[in-house]
Amino acid sequence: AQRVTQPEKLLSVFKGAPVELKCNYSYSGSPELFWYVQYSRQRLQLLLRHISRESIKGFTADLNKGETSFHLKKPFAQEEDSAMYYCALTRRPGRRALTFGSGTRLQVQP
Amino acid sequence: GAVVSQHPSWVICKSGTSVKIECRSLDFQATTMFWYRQFPKQSLMLMATSNEGSKATYEQGVEKDKFLINHASLTLSTLTVTSAHPEDSSFYICSAGRLEETQYFGPGTRLLVL
Repeated sequence: AQRVTQPEKLLSVFKGAPVELKCNYSYSGSPELFWYVQYSRQRLQLLLRHISRESIKGFTADLNKGETSFHLKKPFAQEEDSAMYYCALTRRPGRRALTFGSGTRLQVQP
Repeated sequence: GAVVSQHPSWVICKSGTSVKIECRSLDFQATTMFWYRQFPKQSLMLMATSNEGSKATYEQGVEKDKFLINHASLTLSTLTVTSAHPEDSSFYICSAGRLEETQYFGPGTRLLVL
């Protein structure tokens, strides 16, 4: 069975500091990895997916198959980045249901 | 982007009653929708996959007679919590997407069973 691990429940940084939210996964096949973000009082929304290899709001994430990791990074945190971040995977091809990690709350202090 | 709505946004009910939650894709057709459950300070757990025109597929440990899912049209899936009990109190979230594209999430429904 697949599993997603986010070891940090809370990450607090100062504005302008680099951010790295850790995500490790276990799955025997070839999964698709995602980062979802949930801002206060808003619904869950997609931040980025590994197959797109794009940068959204300054965030990037690289899939490391050797380390089975998909860490989310941003060089300079902004206060508006404060939110709950969830790493998730889905089996590909086919089933699109998501397996989520437990989430990391990012607090960016002024 | 695509919009998914849920109704109601929150509901309080007495123990033993049934509660229906609707999930709608507003501007696209979704042959498959997903229902998740989220306990306080925990992650989302997949409950079931709702398939239009056929029976839902439930995850291990989820009682299909307890959580009835109906996907009667390409834009509507309903989750009915039957004979609700306090332990069913939770945040229920649905998602939908077009074919192999990204899943879009509803705003969630908070259920409190007294």
